[in-house]
Amino acid sequence: DGGITQSPKYLFRKEGQNVTLSCEQNLNHDAMYWYRQDPGQGLRLIYYSQIVNDFQKGDIAEGYSVSREKKESFPLTVTSAQKNPTAFYLCASSMVMSGTGINEQFFGPGTRLTVL
Amino acid sequence: GNSVTQMEGPVTLSEEAFLTINCTYTATGYPSLFWYVQYPGEGLQLLLKATKADDKGSNKGFEATYRKETTSFHLEKGSVQVSDSAVYFCALIETDKLIFGTGTRLQVFP
Repeated sequence: DGGITQSPKYLFRKEGQNVTLSCEQNLNHDAMYWYRQDPGQGLRLIYYSQIVNDFQKGDIAEGYSVSREKKESFPLTVTSAQKNPTAFYLCASSMVMSGTGINEQFFGPGTRLTVL
Repeated sequence: GNSVTQMEGPVTLSEEAFLTINCTYTATGYPSLFWYVQYPGEGLQLLLKATKADDKGSNKGFEATYRKETTSFHLEKGSVQVSDSAVYFCALIETDKLIFGTGTRLQVFP
């Protein structure tokens, strides 16, 4: 089945540790995105990438890093510089439609990160 | 910049009641508009979309009409079910990314 997978579903880390969240898609989508969702709030864009080996900062990129070495994969690293990392992290992907920009985004099931 | 404003929740309804969740937007031009739904503990799923003015998106009994005169994209359903309980997000496309509203929680009781 085509889709987006995120792992793990729940992740615990100690304060001061870096942690990497996985996101894989087999939809052959060009663009991939990382969002952060806090309780009772909307989604905030962390990073996005429209092509392999290229990515852009979103609205809240500080304390996060990404890589896009393969079209299917867009891992997110939450570094120790992120002061309040406990949140629900969502990965998404979309086609890039030539001349019209992006199409709708498809989301993974999310990873809930808790810092102890 | 572009933005999306949704009514604050929670919206609490009895089963079979009529649902409206308001969404208004600010944008240059006429961007595509979307409604996403998030069930507890899950990611977002696309519910419906409209790509130009006066388009009506529909899915699973939900509808929304793209109204450029009022810059609105209100979500409606004639008869809600307990299984519709979720958080609903309105969104628009800005160049190369989506702009989301803050979400509206819907709670439906039997």
